[in-house]
Amino acid sequence: NAGVTQTPKFQVLKTGQSMTLQCAQDMNHEYMSWYRQDPGMGLRLIHYSVGAGITDQGEVPNGYNVSRSTTEDFPLRLLSAAPSQTSVYFCASRHLGRVSGELFFGEGSRLTVL
Amino acid sequence: GENVEQHPSTLSVQEGDSAVIKCTYSDSASNYFPWYKQELGKRPQLIIDIRSNVGEKKDQRIAVTLNKTAKHFSLHITETQPEDSAVYFCAASSGGGADGLTFGKGTHLIIQP
Repeated sequence: NAGVTQTPKFQVLKTGQSMTLQCAQDMNHEYMSWYRQDPGMGLRLIHYSVGAGITDQGEVPNGYNVSRSTTEDFPLRLLSAAPSQTSVYFCASRHLGRVSGELFFGEGSRLTVL
Repeated sequence: GENVEQHPSTLSVQEGDSAVIKCTYSDSASNYFPWYKQELGKRPQLIIDIRSNVGEKKDQRIAVTLNKTAKHFSLHITETQPEDSAVYFCAASSGGGADGLTFGKGTHLIIQP
């Protein structure tokens, strides 16, 4: 199993550009989520999904869109990039309904918006 | 929504000593409290978790305690080793983990040789 795979690992954008961060998992996890990590701010939830066709907002959803058309994939779209979106983005997934609530994280995507 | 406060932001201990990191949460409905370790440049990884029906859980050198009345929980690492150096995050969830986790801001643990 590859686990949680994110692409790209690094990306530089100009203000106003759009892009999609890809996330795929091969563990048949129902739950998938996106976090952003900024220095001194911890991990903040952007959006999450509990299954195909179901998404919900987290703590910091503005400027981001998500969709969940399959169990495996959960892309994060930046509609019009802003310097405030410079961050490290982590995709994470887990099973629902199990005793362990362990989140499995991808390796992260470092985004710089100029 | 849930708010998780974590202290201290940086903790430096001598190798072999114990380290304690503390977190408080605001939502009394929260019932799942994991701890994640993140080494420099790596992804966060779960090291231990506890649910609200348990007051303490131990796994070798690490333990977590939970005080539901006071709404705080702590991570204890004994006999610290150089490989314990990392950033540690506490988190809380009110959906049994089904909802998103709310993370604390992290503690940078430094193990001095």
